[in-house]
Amino acid sequence: ETGVTQTPRHLVMGMTNKKSLKCEQHLGHNAMYWYKQSAKKPLELMFVYSLEERVENNSVPSRFSPECPNSSHLFLHLHTLQPEDSALYLCASSQDLIQGPSYEQYFGPGTRLTVT
Amino acid sequence: GENVEQHPSTLSVQEGDSAVIKCTYSDSASNYFPWYKQELGKRPQLIIDIRSNVGEKKDQRIAVTLNKTAKHFSLHITETQPEDSAVYFCAASRGWITGGGNKLTFGTGTQLKVEL
Repeated sequence: ETGVTQTPRHLVMGMTNKKSLKCEQHLGHNAMYWYKQSAKKPLELMFVYSLEERVENNSVPSRFSPECPNSSHLFLHLHTLQPEDSALYLCASSQDLIQGPSYEQYFGPGTRLTVT
Repeated sequence: GENVEQHPSTLSVQEGDSAVIKCTYSDSASNYFPWYKQELGKRPQLIIDIRSNVGEKKDQRIAVTLNKTAKHFSLHITETQPEDSAVYFCAASRGWITGGGNKLTFGTGTQLKVEL
């Protein structure tokens, strides 16, 4: 599959579980993002990575831990989540500052997370 | 930080009519304003964007206008069709900031319904 892919597409986890979300981009981009999308709320930026370095942490609780091992892969490690963390988690990628002036962010299909 | 407000939250139009969605932003340093379309169960996709050095941009039936003085921008869809039915999000950012990433702040979305 081309573009931005995410796995799993759906995840149900208990509050004591540990799980990870995976994102992969096939666009040659150097920047990757995690967003949270909740019902009737705007898309919330969680983390920004550029050239595998975290450049933005938008006051996200420590129970969310991102990892970017290379410019094509991004993970979101989850532990001891709360029911209010249930949402659609979207990954996106874009060119970074070095690659050029395009700011467009390409989104993945998302992981629908339910915390029970 | 940036705050983006979007109106209306829902919009119903008859097929063939025009639709207008409006957004305001608070950060006078914002210089990049994209619009994303999200169909039900699908990922957000960029439909048009504008940078602060222009006041209007058009792409077939879609246009965006920007008033930097008033800090508001609008999406205009003409000759609406049923396939235009979706949620539309506006966003604003300062673009790429060295060491700071490209941080998009989104509006709350507008559910557009085009009725036959």
